[in-house]
Amino acid sequence: GNSVTQMEGPVTLSEEAFLTINCTYTATGYPSLFWYVQYPGEGLQLLLKATKADDKGSNKGFEATYRKETTSFHLEKGSVQVSDSAVYFCALNGGGTASKLTFGTGTRLQVTL
Amino acid sequence: SQTIHQWPATLVQPVGSPLSLECTVEGTSNPNLYWYRQAAGRGLQLLFYSVGIGQISSEVPQNLSASRPQDRQFILSSKKLLLSDSGFYLCAWSWYYNEQFFGPGTRLTVL
Repeated sequence: GNSVTQMEGPVTLSEEAFLTINCTYTATGYPSLFWYVQYPGEGLQLLLKATKADDKGSNKGFEATYRKETTSFHLEKGSVQVSDSAVYFCALNGGGTASKLTFGTGTRLQVTL
Repeated sequence: SQTIHQWPATLVQPVGSPLSLECTVEGTSNPNLYWYRQAAGRGLQLLFYSVGIGQISSEVPQNLSASRPQDRQFILSSKKLLLSDSGFYLCAWSWYYNEQFFGPGTRLTVL
């Protein structure tokens, strides 16, 4: 079956530091890949997505590239802000009419001044 | 544009009481709908999904049930709550083969 593995958190960074959150996946075929962000007490928000190999998703300074050869979709940001503190989830859609997502366990990011 | 609503936002219920959480979607038709539960500090657990009116698929056996009485309405229910039912319940919708969009969630505390 499909699976998503994320790096363990929490990740603690100082403001303006470079962020990488690793995500690798196992899936048959050609899944679509997503990053979601969850702020405290809120639902998940779609941060970015990529639907085929070598696609780069980007939004709000965050980027992730769909690497089929390494089955990875690592999230990066060049300079984090305190407001980026949240839990980040990597997910894949392996296809099918039900469009079910397989989620990683989430990585908590804490950014300090 | 599409909007997803959930209510109530928070709920405190005694053990053994019934539960009804509601989710509605605006601005689209015939969406896929999903119920997730998130325990404190944990990941997401898919509970139910629906690809059409009256069509419910259960992912995890439990004392919860779901119904879809209308195209854009999804209800999560229980006849008797357990302590272990406490958590953050999220509703989501999608079109086929695409990403899911989440509601604001309902925080349920069972005492």
